[in-house]
Amino acid sequence: AQKITQTQPGMFVQEKEAVTLDCTYDTSDPSYGLFWYKQPSSGEMIFLIYQGSYDQQNATEGRYSLNFQKARKSANLVISASQLGDSAMYFCAMRDALEMEYGNKLVFGAGTILRVKS
Amino acid sequence: GAGVSQSPSNKVTEKGKDVELRCDPISGHTALYWYRQSLGQGLEFLIYFQGNSAPDKSGLPSDRFSAERTGGSVSTLTIQRTQQEDSAVYLCASSLAVSSGSLYEQYFGPGTRLTVT
Repeated sequence: AQKITQTQPGMFVQEKEAVTLDCTYDTSDPSYGLFWYKQPSSGEMIFLIYQGSYDQQNATEGRYSLNFQKARKSANLVISASQLGDSAMYFCAMRDALEMEYGNKLVFGAGTILRVKS
Repeated sequence: GAGVSQSPSNKVTEKGKDVELRCDPISGHTALYWYRQSLGQGLEFLIYFQGNSAPDKSGLPSDRFSAERTGGSVSTLTIQRTQQEDSAVYLCASSLAVSSGSLYEQYFGPGTRLTVT
């Protein structure tokens, strides 16, 4: 079963507006972490934000915030005040205890391409 | 400080040839990961090192793929007898030591774009 689902292949947003990128996940482990990465056209993966399953509050990092709804198993990324430089591919990823036991890897979603319009 | 570096940045090779891809992690990071990203796809895990040992190699797609890490630092991913389906961007990442309950983020290198003709 797919562990990370990003249902939006592509999104457009007007400059200076907020945008939400969806991510749902599947795990039976109570301990896990959720990550968002940005991949611009240059190809580098840039870490944006992290949410632990036991964290009481939603993570925030500057213009990035994570709308963590544990019961719904969703971890949507919210980008406020979009900028042209935000245009990139965005990946949601998860690491749970099972992954830590069998390779400690991140499991990535398929990604969402975000285009910011001026 | 310096980030994760990878070399070469681009590699074009003929089908059947062997290639070596190099990753130099962030100093002090004991965990090192290799991922593969095919065109328009998400990242696929290949192998993970903790120090010089690879606890799990199950992500390697075939026995043509191997990886080693020496001195707890530089890692080399080797693909023997390359095939066209090996064409992808190979990304390396590193993080601080990982243990149960610690969820440090992984820092990625710029990748090596491999094209097999």
